[in-house]
Amino acid sequence: SSELTQDPAVSVALGQTVRITCQGDSLRSYYASWYQQKPGQAPVLVIYGNNNRPSGIPDRFSGSRSGDTASLTITGAQAEDEADFYCYSRDMSGTHCVFGTGTKVTVL
Amino acid sequence: QVHLVQSGPEVKKPGASVKVSCKASGYTFRTFGINWVRQAPGQGLEWMGWISAYNGNTNYAQKVQGRVTVTTDTSTSTAYMELRSLTSDDTAVYYCARGDWGTEIDFWGQGTLVTVSS
Repeated sequence: SSELTQDPAVSVALGQTVRITCQGDSLRSYYASWYQQKPGQAPVLVIYGNNNRPSGIPDRFSGSRSGDTASLTITGAQAEDEADFYCYSRDMSGTHCVFGTGTKVTVL
Repeated sequence: QVHLVQSGPEVKKPGASVKVSCKASGYTFRTFGINWVRQAPGQGLEWMGWISAYNGNTNYAQKVQGRVTVTTDTSTSTAYMELRSLTSDDTAVYYCARGDWGTEIDFWGQGTLVTVSS
């Protein structure tokens, strides 16, 4: 089982804000990154180093961390944001990497 | 433009081995590591292991330790993942993905479907 826990599914109305969380003790020590995956496609990096956005990623995506929880926020969700989202970091030992359990985001 | 191009789909019988390749272009191969990640049908992402393209250091997930070997050929900028003693639980899409150890993964291959079936 993953050491990074996410809610299985969330929904958000078009244009509204949604926050996805990732909880794990290792997040107190190691950075989290976030990935968006649409059906049949490879994942895409949307946030790295807890709160940094790669070039080309819309600024409606933002990240933060507090204690053992990392968060990804989509402000003004668009229809094209509907996807699975995964967090990623190291495990508690720091010697292996691990993905979160994943969150399915539905835009209503 | 960074590209990771993986080998084609594979069908294997239980107990067999599979070797997936990942050819990198658009950057200096030895300056980044390569992760291997898999995704079983309808399931989440699972990190399998990592290799430094600079010095060949590796790190494997405990779940596949002993059955997986990741290598690189710097002369062709290609990474390889070999998984042995396959079972139906190994049926998945396998991705190679660029990243330094323990940090973000910034580019992904297109994925290779490996099907294990008798």
